Amino acid sequence: EPEVTQTPSHQVTQMGQEVILRCVPISNHLYFYWYRQILGQKVEFLVSFYNNEISEKSEIFDDQFSVERPDGSNFTLKIRSTKLEDSAMYFCASSYRTGTDYGYTFGSGTRLTVV
Amino acid sequence: RKEVEQDPGPFNVPEGATVAFNCTYSNSASQSFFWYRQDCRKEPKLLMSVYSSGNEDGRFTAQLNRASQYISLLIRDSKLSDSATYLCVVNDDYKLSFGAGTTVTVRA
Repeated sequence: EPEVTQTPSHQVTQMGQEVILRCVPISNHLYFYWYRQILGQKVEFLVSFYNNEISEKSEIFDDQFSVERPDGSNFTLKIRSTKLEDSAMYFCASSYRTGTDYGYTFGSGTRLTVV
Repeated sequence: RKEVEQDPGPFNVPEGATVAFNCTYSNSASQSFFWYRQDCRKEPKLLMSVYSSGNEDGRFTAQLNRASQYISLLIRDSKLSDSATYLCVVNDDYKLSFGAGTTVTVRA
């Protein structure tokens, strides 16, 4: 079964440092997403990406965040200057159409710890 | 008002029991609804889509009431492996809105 792959599985960073979380979506998927889940809280939408541009972003996705699809296979989330409250599980997802009935698949996540 | 609200539980049930729980959503224009399952510190995994007519997948039955903006999930003949957090999810165009989850623990 096709998978969405995320690396690293766990990253520890110092407050104020930049981090890049990496994702390899399923190869025939066209829509890409980032979600986060703070420990003990619900999964929250961050951003969606289609045709090399952001389709929608939440209020969480401020100027500290950016996304990129640098090479046609990877999809990255960059946090420019991490804060303690950025500590969370970050999930990448992809789909070949909008909506879950079109193969919407989540990666296993990157646990980001900001110290 | 939260977009998706769920009874957090926990529901502690013996093996073989039936357990049911609900969720409400705030956006009356939402078109697609789902139940996901999340195991501890893992990614959400699609359990089933929810259709207006109600639908069943083995021991799992989902119902949607658009008039009341209400979704339910019923698990029959619970197994130990059903222990998880069940997430009610609403799809609005590009994004999924998740409830906080209902925790179910099935005991031997």
